[in-house]
Amino acid sequence: TQLLEQSPQFLSIQEGENLTVYCNSSSVFSSLQWYRQEPGEGPVLLVTVVTGGEVKKLKRLTFQFGDARKDSSLHITAAQPGDTGLYLCAGSEAAGNKLTFGGGTRVLVKP
Amino acid sequence: NAGVTQTPKFQVLKTGQSMTLQCAQDMNHEYMSWYRQDPGMGLRLIHYSVGAGITDQGEVPNGYNVSRSTTEDFPLRLLSAAPSQTSVYFCASTQRAGLTEAFFGQGTRLTVV
Repeated sequence: TQLLEQSPQFLSIQEGENLTVYCNSSSVFSSLQWYRQEPGEGPVLLVTVVTGGEVKKLKRLTFQFGDARKDSSLHITAAQPGDTGLYLCAGSEAAGNKLTFGGGTRVLVKP
Repeated sequence: NAGVTQTPKFQVLKTGQSMTLQCAQDMNHEYMSWYRQDPGMGLRLIHYSVGAGITDQGEVPNGYNVSRSTTEDFPLRLLSAAPSQTSVYFCASTQRAGLTEAFFGQGTRLTVV
């Protein structure tokens, strides 16, 4: 059974600060996705990374896939209150396999 | 664009009752799945389907049944509800399994008393 562990579970920061969320596993993933979920809504995809060592940027968000494709990180620069939400990583062990989610990191950005 | 539609949004059941959570998608996606989300936790996969007529178990399938008679619909059935099934349930669809984006419904908040 694949297992994705996210850390930290909860992060509270002031507006303008930077933060990093981690997603780790002992399994190798063919791809890894990051989602953001707001209260009362379903998760929404932020990014998909597929190549070991890959770095993707989405405005103030930077996503990195580990060289061995076992881990990933999400870095937010100059966080804003609108970044508040639950961030979830999800991985597919092999193309065509089921999507497994991590436990999530709840981020609170205070104005 | 409706996307993924789940009904109902809220439901209260008594222990032992049965019910069906409905999920429909209008994007002609092959792959559909059901997750449950408990407080402080991520999403755990209950059942999934890679196409009409094909279903398989996820990591927490006990107490739940599914069927996929059409591409559009993927209902989740609770045959005899238990308090441990109190949770928020999400249905998701993707164009195909693997690398493509998963689109989620808004969820069904189920309470079993």
